[in-house]
Amino acid sequence: AQSVAQPEDQVNVAEGNPLTVKCTYSVSGNPYLFWYVQYPNRGLQFLLKYITGDNLVKGSYGFEAEFNKSQTSFHLKKPSALVSDSALYFCAVRDMNNGAGTALIFGKGTTLSVSS
Amino acid sequence: GAGVSQSPSNKVTEKGKDVELRCDPISGHTALYWYRQSLGQGLEFLIYFQGNSAPDKSGLPSDRFSAERTGGSVSTLTIQRTQQEDSAVYLCASSSDRGIYNEQFFGPGTRLTVL
Repeated sequence: AQSVAQPEDQVNVAEGNPLTVKCTYSVSGNPYLFWYVQYPNRGLQFLLKYITGDNLVKGSYGFEAEFNKSQTSFHLKKPSALVSDSALYFCAVRDMNNGAGTALIFGKGTTLSVSS
Repeated sequence: GAGVSQSPSNKVTEKGKDVELRCDPISGHTALYWYRQSLGQGLEFLIYFQGNSAPDKSGLPSDRFSAERTGGSVSTLTIQRTQQEDSAVYLCASSSDRGIYNEQFFGPGTRLTVL
């Protein structure tokens, strides 16, 4: 079965420090992976995606993610965290069994808290 | 340009009543999705529309749920005889073409509370 796991419910980091939000996946076939961010009372905003090509993907707001096929991971990273990065982050993988292979399976989400 | 819009933003209803939730996708986007976000279940896929093709309803939790998409644009999600477990945030998303490689753009959601 296809799935996405975000092993940490919450990540705390000080402003200016690097941050990592972890994601692992399980799919059959090639994974299409996404990161979204959700601010309070707002919908999900797209950050970045991995379809194919370079394992290091750069996205919005200075975020990047590293695709690691052998570890089936797609961790979200940022070199220097900002207080405004505090939000709920979702990792997602394309669901090949639903929505004509285009629906998303989401992880449970990780709350990122950046302190000043 | 305008993003995905949803209405109402909040809906409170009594158990057993029917509700309609509306989604207006980004102009030109042919793919439209409904998801449900709840505390217990996280984010779940409900239904998918692509152009004029028959929708993929495989994620709908029961036959009380239905959705339409008129003219390839606006979509309405209808929940009949609402139950307390239907309380959740209902998110709509749209994507260009078939959406396999493209990201989905989400609306702000409709928060449904069933009393």
